[in-house]
Parts: sequence; C-alpha cells; structure tokens
Amino acid sequence: SQQGEEDPQALSIQEGENATMNCSYKTSINNLQWYRQNSGRGLVHLILIRSNEREKHSGRLRVTLDTSKKSSSLLITASRAADTASYFCATALNTDKLIFGTGTRLQVFP
Amino acid sequence: DAGVIQSPRHEVTEMGQEVTLRCKPISGHNSLFWYRQTMMRGLELLIYFNNNVPIDDSGMPEDRFSAKMPNASFSTLKIQPSEPRDSAVYFCASSRGGQADTQYFGPGTRLTVL
Repeated sequence: SQQGEEDPQALSIQEGENATMNCSYKTSINNLQWYRQNSGRGLVHLILIRSNEREKHSGRLRVTLDTSKKSSSLLITASRAADTASYFCATALNTDKLIFGTGTRLQVFP
Repeated sequence: DAGVIQSPRHEVTEMGQEVTLRCKPISGHNSLFWYRQTMMRGLELLIYFNNNVPIDDSGMPEDRFSAKMPNASFSTLKIQPSEPRDSAVYFCASSRGGQADTQYFGPGTRLTVL
C-alpha cells in the first residue's frame, strides 16, 4: 500500500447512520490529518492528531490513531446529507513533508 | 480573513498557449503550496515555498512549469507552453508553519487545455 491509503474507496449510507473511514500508512509519522473536499471545492481541514495522541473529537467527528498498526480511522456519527464529500487523510512524515491519500468518497442519502 | 484567494477560477486555453495561475495566501502564513488534482493521479504537490523561498519543487512535472513567490502575499504558477495533459484543477494552499502544519486551501483553478 502507498503512504496514506484510505479504505473504502467509496461508501454509501443513509442519513443518521455512522460512517467510518480508515487510513493506513507505511512509515513513522509526526502527525496525521483528515480533510474534506466537497465537489468542485478546495480541501477543508477537519482534524489533526499527533503521533503521541490516540483519539480526538470535534463535534460529530472522532479520529483514532494506532501507531503500532500504522492506521487511523475517521468516524462521522449521525451522518447528514451535507456530509457527502470526499475525505482524505494526510500523513506528516516530519515537519516538512505531508502526503495526501487517494480519498474516500462518501455519499449520504436523505 | 478572506482565506486563500485564487484566480482565475476557470481557464480554457489552446495547446501551446501560456497559462498563469495566481494565488494570494492567508495573511501571516509563512508557507505556500501549489497542488494539482486529477482523477488519474489524485492530489499532487507541485511546489512548496517557505518565507517566499522554494523549498521543494520536486513535484514540478517539467521545465514547462515554473512558480514564483515575489512577496509574502502573492504567488504565480506558469505553464508555458501548455498541453492537453495539463488539464486539471490547480490548488493553492497556505499554512502558518511548515508543510506538516494545517493547510488552508483555495477554491482552485480548473484548467482546460484544448
């Protein structure tokens, strides 16, 4: 797998359900970030989790980081149609290198 | 703050023409990034400036691409001559610190080269 590979590539759920996206990476990281991209727009930063942190919350978002497994997950609880977007993880290999993954396309049906 | 500003938002040009994309980063941010996004290749970092100095330009595809940052509030990405395979969405982003800091993206420029 490449650095920062998301799984699944696409996810379709109903409004109100939870959405879970995973990110795996290959090398040690300084931090890991999640971004959202709505169609036709730029990326928007959601959460940054540092290598010494295990879990972070922001509203309906919950991010976990397992450095032993080199993986992270993004959970969106009680999803809404407005959450429809592509979600990218980005791994910071050091203070000056950030690599974006290929993204998960989330579709939330009303 | 207005966020990262990019112009133009859309550009359609013919093969062989020169294209110049412009970016104004968020005031006070020290780093600026140019990315290219396509369906085939995803999001690619083209070049990264810190304090107006190019730090990493290893992603610039070839000599047809050049980028400048004459001051802290303005950057350009130029393609000369343009080719159809350059068609993509080009994003500019900025951050307070280095590349690993939170990045703030502009709305992008959709470039179509005919």
